[in-house]
Amino acid sequence: DQQVKQNSPSLSVQEGRISILNCDYTNSMFDYFLWYKKYPAEGPTFLISISSIKDKNEDGRFTVFLNKSAKHLSLHIVPSQPGDSAVYFCAASNAGGTSYGKLTFGQGTILTVHP
Amino acid sequence: GAVVSQHPSRVICKSGTSVKIECRSLDFQATTMFWYRQFPKKSLMLMATSNEGSKATYEQGVEKDKFLINHASLTLSTLTVTSAHPEDSSFYICSARLALHNEQFFGPGTRLTVL
Repeated sequence: DQQVKQNSPSLSVQEGRISILNCDYTNSMFDYFLWYKKYPAEGPTFLISISSIKDKNEDGRFTVFLNKSAKHLSLHIVPSQPGDSAVYFCAASNAGGTSYGKLTFGQGTILTVHP
Repeated sequence: GAVVSQHPSRVICKSGTSVKIECRSLDFQATTMFWYRQFPKKSLMLMATSNEGSKATYEQGVEKDKFLINHASLTLSTLTVTSAHPEDSSFYICSARLALHNEQFFGPGTRLTVL
């Protein structure tokens, strides 16, 4: 039972344009969401998170949007840079608005940013 | 930022041998460490949650006698794959969480290949 889904296995974007990575979840108990970036043969690196009490969180070029009614979140990267090329995982937790509990990960989306 | 290391980064072993993987938090004390497994082109699957000084909590379907976890100190957790078989070949990643902190910080991962 895949509770967190990233339905796009890959995304290709031109440098300078916006990258939009999507994530859907089925468990309504999830109340904290995170995005991680991962290079091959390395561990994931934390990018940005959002609590379910918010619908938007912004950090530099990265913005995460949360639509609780649709059980959907997205990560926007603008402007996209070639160095952003990596696998992006969304993750969710249901521990009182924190990630104190275990994280459930999506399958990942491979982002390729072309110069 | 918080740094988590794993050792070894890569290991090749014969079927039937046991392999120990170390996970260390280098500049912080981690009250909780997590062990994940990632198959090619798949999501990170949580195997177990490890709290310092207590027994690990294993996810459903993970054999506790097969994957021994020891969290002896606030900076070290070990995963021992006992009597490894080719189907245990995978990428194993640990993460550590600071006390009262939302994010998990991931190690670089260990590539295990069982011949």
